[in-house]
Amino acid sequence: ETGVTQTPRHLVMGMTNKKSLKCEQHLGHNAMYWYKQSAKKPLELMFVYNFKEQTENNSVPSRFSPECPNSSHLFLHLHTLQPEDSALYLCASSLGGSGSYEQFFGPGTRLTVL
Amino acid sequence: GESVGLHLPTLSVQEGDNSIINCAYSNSASDYFIWYKQESGKGPQFIIDIRSNMDKRQGQRVTVLLNKTVKHLSLQIAATQPGDSAVYFCAETTGTASKLTFGTGTRLQVTL
Repeated sequence: ETGVTQTPRHLVMGMTNKKSLKCEQHLGHNAMYWYKQSAKKPLELMFVYNFKEQTENNSVPSRFSPECPNSSHLFLHLHTLQPEDSALYLCASSLGGSGSYEQFFGPGTRLTVL
Repeated sequence: GESVGLHLPTLSVQEGDNSIINCAYSNSASDYFIWYKQESGKGPQFIIDIRSNMDKRQGQRVTVLLNKTVKHLSLQIAATQPGDSAVYFCAETTGTASKLTFGTGTRLQVTL
């Protein structure tokens, strides 16, 4: 196990629903990430938090809203999603700072938007 | 924009043979590379990394080769086992610790 957990593992939601994805890391890391993984496409970086501060928003639609209350927890709030948002959403963490490039991934949340 | 790509979407090898997975990158400023393995139902898992000041790095049954001249990266797996079946991604960064660019992935299938 990588020390990064994600809940739920599977989520089915309608386009008008509001739901949240949760990520927790037990590695003492200071940087956390949200990625979207779609079939036959590279991992797409969505958001980056360093020391609880958002440092990267990769042109993500506002229907995705991240929250990082502390260095160990990361949330992705979902609202009014579209069917094309169906994908595997991966959370990752890293030490943060310079020279620490390795990211540790959670198992992902498989999201289906109906 | 800069991109990281993989030559083959699927690679099939017989158990016990060596596997070679290739990756091309286009950013000459990339200075750090990682190989990840993703098994079905799991997130990507770190395999091995290499910095741009190296040509080769070895781990347990795995070797990464870096050719900066042609911007090419490869992952060699010795004595491939059924447990090696997975999708393999290369990733690169230009020195921004928190931003990796991933390739699309190569699926490795190990046949008995």
